[in-house]
Amino acid sequence: AQSVTQLGSHVSVSEGALVLLRCNYSSSVPPYLFWYVQYPNQGLQLLLKYTSAATLVKGINGFEAEFKKSETSFHLTKPSAHMSDAAEYFCAVSDRGYGGSQGNLIFGKGTKLSVKP
Amino acid sequence: DTAVSQTPKYLVTQMGNDKSIKCEQNLGHDTMYWYKQDSKKFLKIMFSYNNKELIINETVPNRFSPKSPDKAHLNLHINSLELGDSAVYFCASSPGQGSQYFGPGTRLTVT
Repeated sequence: AQSVTQLGSHVSVSEGALVLLRCNYSSSVPPYLFWYVQYPNQGLQLLLKYTSAATLVKGINGFEAEFKKSETSFHLTKPSAHMSDAAEYFCAVSDRGYGGSQGNLIFGKGTKLSVKP
Repeated sequence: DTAVSQTPKYLVTQMGNDKSIKCEQNLGHDTMYWYKQDSKKFLKIMFSYNNKELIINETVPNRFSPKSPDKAHLNLHINSLELGDSAVYFCASSPGQGSQYFGPGTRLTVT
C-alpha cells in the first residue's frame, strides 16, 4: 500500500532563505509523486509532479523537487522564499503508481510554511 | 472560465438535514473525485467516478452518495447530516497520469 510522510507540520523560514519541505513515501509500485499547495481558504493547486521521467522536477513559482529512490524521498525546495509562499504544502502519491492513470491520491498530513519578513 | 467549480462555497445546516454539493469541470477529464478535508487539514479520498461509473468507493457512510449526471458533473448528496460531517469537501478531476485539478472547496458546517 502507498503512504506518504511529511516531516514537520510547521516550517518557518525568513524571506530570502532556502525552503526545504520533506516528504518520504512508501509504494509497492513505481510511484507517481506530487506536491500541492493550498493557500488559505482556497483549493489545492498542483506545484509539480514526478512521473518517472527526470528525477529533478521543476514546478511553478520557482519550486523544485528531487526524486531519490534509494531514500524513498521527494523533498520540495525553493532557493529563496517569498512572503507569498506562505501556505500549506501537501505531498501525495498515487495509489496506482506508475501507469495507474486513474489512481487516487494519498496525501501526507501537510506542512504549513511560514515566511518571516 | 473556472476549470473545476463547486457550489455552494459555504453551507451551514442543522443535524438531520439532507444537502447536496455540486461540482462541474470544463476540462474534458474522464475521472472526477470527492475528497474530505478535516479540521486538521488531513485530506482523504471519498469517491471517484470514471466515465459515469463509480470505480472506487471508500469506506464512507452510506449517507454519502455521489451522483454523476454526465461526464462534466459529480454531485455529492449527504443524508441525515451529523456533526462529524463538518469539514471542507473538495471536488477534483483528472486527465490521467495521476494529476488532479481541485475545485475551491465547500465548507460544510453542521450545527
